[in-house]
Amino acid sequence: GQNIDQPTEMTATEGAIVQINCTYQTSGFNGLFWYQQHAGEAPTFLSYNVLDGLEEKGRFSSFLSRSKGYSYLLLKELQMKDSASYLCAVRDEGNSGYSTLTFGKGTMLLVSP
Amino acid sequence: KAGVTQTPRYLIKTRGQQVTLSCSPISGHRSVSWYQQTPGQGLQFLFEYFSETQRNKGNFPGRFSGRQFSNSRSEMNVSTLELGDSALYLCASSLEAAYGYTFGSGTRLTVV
Repeated sequence: GQNIDQPTEMTATEGAIVQINCTYQTSGFNGLFWYQQHAGEAPTFLSYNVLDGLEEKGRFSSFLSRSKGYSYLLLKELQMKDSASYLCAVRDEGNSGYSTLTFGKGTMLLVSP
Repeated sequence: KAGVTQTPRYLIKTRGQQVTLSCSPISGHRSVSWYQQTPGQGLQFLFEYFSETQRNKGNFPGRFSGRQFSNSRSEMNVSTLELGDSALYLCASSLEAAYGYTFGSGTRLTVV
């Protein structure tokens, strides 16, 4: 099975930078995704890492260390609309030989003025 | 292009009843996955279908079942509904599991 841990809640101020960490344990790692989910809406794709290192996409960056089972999502120049739940998801090749995507419970980020 | 479409958006059922939820993936996507989302447990994997075959199944009781049709549309069925089945059921499609997943808006099921 898998174990994915991320903080339950975080708060930050508009214009600031926030880093959301995610640690995971899996036997058949095959990629890590970050999703954003606003209340009452569907999760939307933010980033994907399969190799170690940093992937940058505008105000959002995601980092992966496979040896440490660790990833983080970095949000810069925070805006009020960034208040949402951020979901870390690990793709794992299971016993069936096919991959599944397993999600952490999400980190609720509250951005205040 | 159209996104992932789930119907209905909201559903209220009574304990003991059964329910069928529908998901139409993005055109060309052959992989459809189903997830249950609750405040306490987050997103939990139910099952994944690819070209009408179930490839993976999560740790849910046999009351939860699904299928996929030749046009890639998928349905999931929950029989003998329990209060604990109240949740947001999300469907996600992808070209392959190797690519990103696109989620539908979900079906909010309330069991009373």
